[in-house]
Amino acid sequence: QKEVEQDPGPLSVPEGAIVSLNCTYSNSAFQYFMWYRQYSRKGPELLMYTYSSGNKEDGRFTAQVDKSSKYISLFIRDSQPSDSATYLCAMRYRDDKIIFGKGTRLHILP
Amino acid sequence: NAGVMQNPRHLVRRRGQEARLRCSPMKGHSHVYWYRQLPEEGLKFMVYLQKENIIDESGMPKERFSAEFPKEGPSILRIQQVVRGDSAAYFCASSRGRLDGNQPQHFGDGTRLSIL
Repeated sequence: QKEVEQDPGPLSVPEGAIVSLNCTYSNSAFQYFMWYRQYSRKGPELLMYTYSSGNKEDGRFTAQVDKSSKYISLFIRDSQPSDSATYLCAMRYRDDKIIFGKGTRLHILP
Repeated sequence: NAGVMQNPRHLVRRRGQEARLRCSPMKGHSHVYWYRQLPEEGLKFMVYLQKENIIDESGMPKERFSAEFPKEGPSILRIQQVVRGDSAAYFCASSRGRLDGNQPQHFGDGTRLSIL
């Protein structure tokens, strides 16, 4: 079993819809959880960073962590065509390197 | 632009040549991380460096690959005797300190290495 599992998509949704992106992980020692957005030919951009179970909201983005189920989610409200990108979940132990999921390609249809 | 700077953006090498990838961290950042991204694969950690020190190279292939972060100048990822399988996007990230608390990594836009 891989440490981090993420559905590669592609996921296509109409503009204005709520997007749900998910990752599962196998190692309960992970303490920090992140979501990155990566546009084509660009580097990953940090969107959300959290270390506890529960929800964290930032504008149209909500990150959710469920440590008991080893499951994290990213919700995007009122999706825009500019949200079309690859979304990478990532997690790490304390003071250690980051483990990334493979990324989910998201297409927002105008 | 105060972000992480990587150059060149694209690099083409023939099999057996050497590839040198450069990374200048964000201003005020003294920790550098190198990742490799293969097509349809996620980012894979390669090496973590501070100035003049390699902290963690557990993701680096044992042969042909080396990295340095000198006291002055950019961090360098060096690949000797390149092979086709080295074709990938190589990303550099930097942070202000060790990865604890709220010390996020900021990424550059990568170097795309193509081996002919």
